Amino acid sequence: EVQLVESGGGLVQPGGSLRLSCEASGFNFDEHAMHWVRQVPGRGLEWVSGINWNSHSIGYGDSVKGRVSISRDNAKNSLYLQLNTLGSEDTALYYCAKGVRSSYSEYFDDWGQGTLVTVSS
Amino acid sequence: QSVLTQPPSVSEVPRQRVTISCSGGSSNIGHNAVNWYQQVHGKAPKLLIYYDDLLPSGVSDRFSGSKSGTSASLAISGLQSEDEADYYCAAWDDSLNAWVFGGGTKLTVL
Repeated sequence: EVQLVESGGGLVQPGGSLRLSCEASGFNFDEHAMHWVRQVPGRGLEWVSGINWNSHSIGYGDSVKGRVSISRDNAKNSLYLQLNTLGSEDTALYYCAKGVRSSYSEYFDDWGQGTLVTVSS
Repeated sequence: QSVLTQPPSVSEVPRQRVTISCSGGSSNIGHNAVNWYQQVHGKAPKLLIYYDDLLPSGVSDRFSGSKSGTSASLAISGLQSEDEADYYCAAWDDSLNAWVFGGGTKLTVL
């Protein structure tokens, strides 16, 4: 059974930093792209960042570009998201999602339960 | 403002059929596959449809997807109370180099 367990969320002051983690199990982690998707409570889904299996291809959403950094450690089956210069607009539930890629496209077939980031003074 | 446009809400009575639209442009839906996700209140999103019209294993065949040009649709037949949820479309956007989601559609089963 695929499991994605996020951690690292919490209350942080504006301008602060936070590192989110996602521990994966139940599948060959080093064969899959991974993504972070966030959701402001009561609002829609927003793609934050994605990384391919060997970290050679990385992308970021416009709203976080320059302030976040995604990384992974295949030896530890773990995905990370470093969040910097946080603002109130970054308050959200952050989901880790497993990507399934083909030559045609990709989809996110498994999601964690999320970790909540609250930016407030 | 989401790149992909969905109606905020739809409603229908049990056992009927409902469709949810997702409108985009040439850089996303018009050129790339559309995926649909279901999110029951308080839960994580769940993959419902991938590559426009394919059903993941375990998803009821009451759900179906289609695409034409720069628009996609999700249809749910034989509505059940358990189908009450938020539904999101998503596609890769070649111009933004990012995944884009629709704003979500809240389905109410009356």
